[in-house]
Order: sequence, then C-alpha cells, then structure tokens
Amino acid sequence: SQQGEEDPQALSIQEGENATMNCSYKTSINNLQWYRQNSGRGLVHLILIRSNEREKHSGRLRVTLDTSKKSSSLLITASRAADTASYFCATDPYGGATNKLIFGTGTLLAVQP
Amino acid sequence: EPEVTQTPSHQVTQMGQEVILRCVPISNHLYFYWYRQILGQKVEFLVSFYNNEISEKSEIFDDQFSVERPDGSNFTLKIRSTKLEDSAMYFCASSELGGETQYFGPGTRLLVL
Repeated sequence: SQQGEEDPQALSIQEGENATMNCSYKTSINNLQWYRQNSGRGLVHLILIRSNEREKHSGRLRVTLDTSKKSSSLLITASRAADTASYFCATDPYGGATNKLIFGTGTLLAVQP
Repeated sequence: EPEVTQTPSHQVTQMGQEVILRCVPISNHLYFYWYRQILGQKVEFLVSFYNNEISEKSEIFDDQFSVERPDGSNFTLKIRSTKLEDSAMYFCASSELGGETQYFGPGTRLLVL
C-alpha cells in the first residue's frame, strides 16, 4: 500500500455520535496533519501532530500518533451534520528537502441529521 | 483571517493549449506549493518553491510544467501544452518560513478537452 492510507474509506454516522478515522503511513515523518475537504472544495487544515507527540486536542478533535505502528487516528466527538466531508491525513516525510505533504486516500464521512 | 486565493476557479481548455493558473499566497509566507487532485484520487504534490527557485519537485512535474513568482504577490503554475490527463483540481498552498502547516487555496478545476 502507499504512504497514507485511511480507513475506513467511508463512514456514515448519526449526529451526536463520535467518528473515528485511521491513517497508516510507511516512512519516518516530521509530522502528520489532518485536512478536511468539502465536496469539490479546498483543503482546510484541522490539526498537526509532531513525531514526538502522542496525542493532541483541538475543540472536538482528538488526534493520536503511534510512530512505532506508523499510524494515526482522528476522533471527532459529538459530530454535526456540518462535519460531513472527506478527511485526509498528510505526512511530512523525514529528511525531505521541503515540507512537501504526502496525502492519504481519505475517509468520506457522512453525518446524518 | 488571511487566506490563499486562486484564479480562475474553473478553466476549460483544448488539448495542446497553454494554461496559467494563478495563486496569491498569504502575504508573509515564504514557501509556496502546488498540488493536484485528479477526480476521485489522492492529492498529489507537484512542486515547492522558496527564494525564487524550485526547492523540490515530483516526477509528475515534468518539462511541461513551470512555476514563477512574477511579482511580490502572485505565484503561477504554467502548463505549456496541456494533455487530457492534466484534467484535475490544482491547489496552491503556502507556509511560513520554518512553518509546518500549509494553508491551501480553494483550487482551480482544470478540464482539458
């Protein structure tokens, strides 16, 4: 598989429930970032976690990083219909010339009202 | 809040024609990037640019592509002779010096006929 694989590919939940998305990657990284993309629109930065961090919170978002397993998870608590979007993890590979991002395949989240 | 802007939002062109996609990065940012997303696929890194030169480019970024910062505000991506497979959403991003977070524009949807 390629750098940055999310699972599940698609997730449908009811408003108020929690949504968990996972990301796996292959190479050593400087950091891992999560982005949201509404249908056909731009990428919105959600949260960044560095390779020496294990957990980070931002509002209703909680991100974990396990560098030994090369995986990360994004938890959205108390989901809302407005959270409906595609969510991508993106890694900044260690040792790169610049902070280019390698994106995953994305999880399509549908929150039913 | 400052944001990255891109023009045009949509562009339709004939195969073999040249296109220029324009971006205005966030004003105090010094690193600039282009990414593309073919419909239904991952976001892919094309090129990064710093100090008026290319820092890194992917294998996608062949001789048909070029980037330029013609003045203090614009950052452009030129595709010299478009191919059908260049049809995609093209995203510009920028980051601060030493910054890890990249801020993305809304994208230009390019359709090559």
